Amino acid sequence: AQSVTQLDSHVSVSEGTPVLLRCNYSSSYSPSLFWYVQHPNKGLQLLLKYTSAATLVKGINGFEAEFKKSETSFHLTKPSAHMSDAAEYFCVVSPWGTGRRALTFGSGTRLQVQP
Amino acid sequence: SQTIHQWPATLVQPVGSPLSLECTVEGTSNPNLYWYRQAAGRGLQLLFYSVGIGQISSEVPQNLSASRPQDRQFILSSKKLLLSDSGFYLCAWREAASGANVLTFGAGSRLTVL
Repeated sequence: AQSVTQLDSHVSVSEGTPVLLRCNYSSSYSPSLFWYVQHPNKGLQLLLKYTSAATLVKGINGFEAEFKKSETSFHLTKPSAHMSDAAEYFCVVSPWGTGRRALTFGSGTRLQVQP
Repeated sequence: SQTIHQWPATLVQPVGSPLSLECTVEGTSNPNLYWYRQAAGRGLQLLFYSVGIGQISSEVPQNLSASRPQDRQFILSSKKLLLSDSGFYLCAWREAASGANVLTFGAGSRLTVL
């Protein structure tokens, strides 16, 4: 069994300040973990993925996430928010290599960026 | 490179009317294909997935059906729409041989049932 919890449904930051979007997971297997971003009325775009290599994962648009097994967390960060970062972000967990339908999505975190 | 196309982008349908949403993938063979729904203010719900032509697995009982008539074509249908079918529908694909489970999504289809 697996689950993912995004701890904040909404996060608001000022442009130029750091971003932290929190994600905790549980998995019976060694997990793969992903962050996706969705802009309004658009599909989901992969930001980054963790697949049992380096625990600090760098993604697109300056985002990165750190896999912490002891804390079962995979928080998404960015040093300096940009207005274009305003979107919804989804944390996803999957057991490695089992394919098919075995992806579990978090409920999403809406990021607002204030000028 | 691989691309995924989904259409129509938006549609407004009356209750009781039929539905057909289409998704095609280019640049790959034998992909795993998925239909998700995203209702307003809610997360993603997996509706159907397919690992091959004619092979459809349904995740939840509902008013919808899916078909895969060709390797890279995935269709979501309904014979009679309900108000509760309104939402944002997303098609996605994944390489069947990939252990990393990375899904690539289409741009989505916004359905409003009136």
